[in-house]
Amino acid sequence: SQQGEEDPQALSIQEGENATMNCSYKTSINNLQWYRQNSGRGLVHLILIRSNEREKHSGRLRVTLDTSKKSSSLLITASRAADTASYFCATDGIQGAQKLVFGQGTRLTINP
Amino acid sequence: DGGITQSPKYLFRKEGQNVTLSCEQNLNHDAMYWYRQDPGQGLRLIYYSQIVNDFQKGDIAEGYSVSREKKESFPLTVTSAQKNPTAFYLCASSITGAGNGYTFGSGTRLTVV
Repeated sequence: SQQGEEDPQALSIQEGENATMNCSYKTSINNLQWYRQNSGRGLVHLILIRSNEREKHSGRLRVTLDTSKKSSSLLITASRAADTASYFCATDGIQGAQKLVFGQGTRLTINP
Repeated sequence: DGGITQSPKYLFRKEGQNVTLSCEQNLNHDAMYWYRQDPGQGLRLIYYSQIVNDFQKGDIAEGYSVSREKKESFPLTVTSAQKNPTAFYLCASSITGAGNGYTFGSGTRLTVV
């Protein structure tokens, strides 16, 4: 079951600009997580936001969560060429064991 | 350094063969997971295990099998019953309980020849 849907599917911006990616989900969650994947590699955990939190920062990353709209956004400020990757949101539902359900991802390209 | 290791990086399977993908972690994590990723797609859960000698089916378990005899190891067997096994397979581990991120391996790319 694919819980998260991400928007846009692909995003191309100039270096130095901000990049915003959105994620929508369907069921109640314990937390929502964002991951990054470089081409052909494993995923790297970026940030986790709990259901009772509205905003969280980590370096150049800012994540927001709106549980009433069942949506989240990831903002990367002052983008760099090295930020080029795919970004996935993943939700941890409230029922049963922790098992993340991933969205389809946003492919981000930073042009130098 | 603690981490999670998948091997091999590339694997080729003939039609009708079973193949086993290795996943080993030295993070002392109780929970381990297997996901499948198809080109341009998100990850789909195959199997997961929260404790040694116990595992549960994920969303696409048909044609796959796993074992969890040791805390450190969670091998995945892709059986001949899996009709479309060509994909990128990712193993992950985490501390049990809500609120913990996953640590992923670097993946195994399986191709049917």
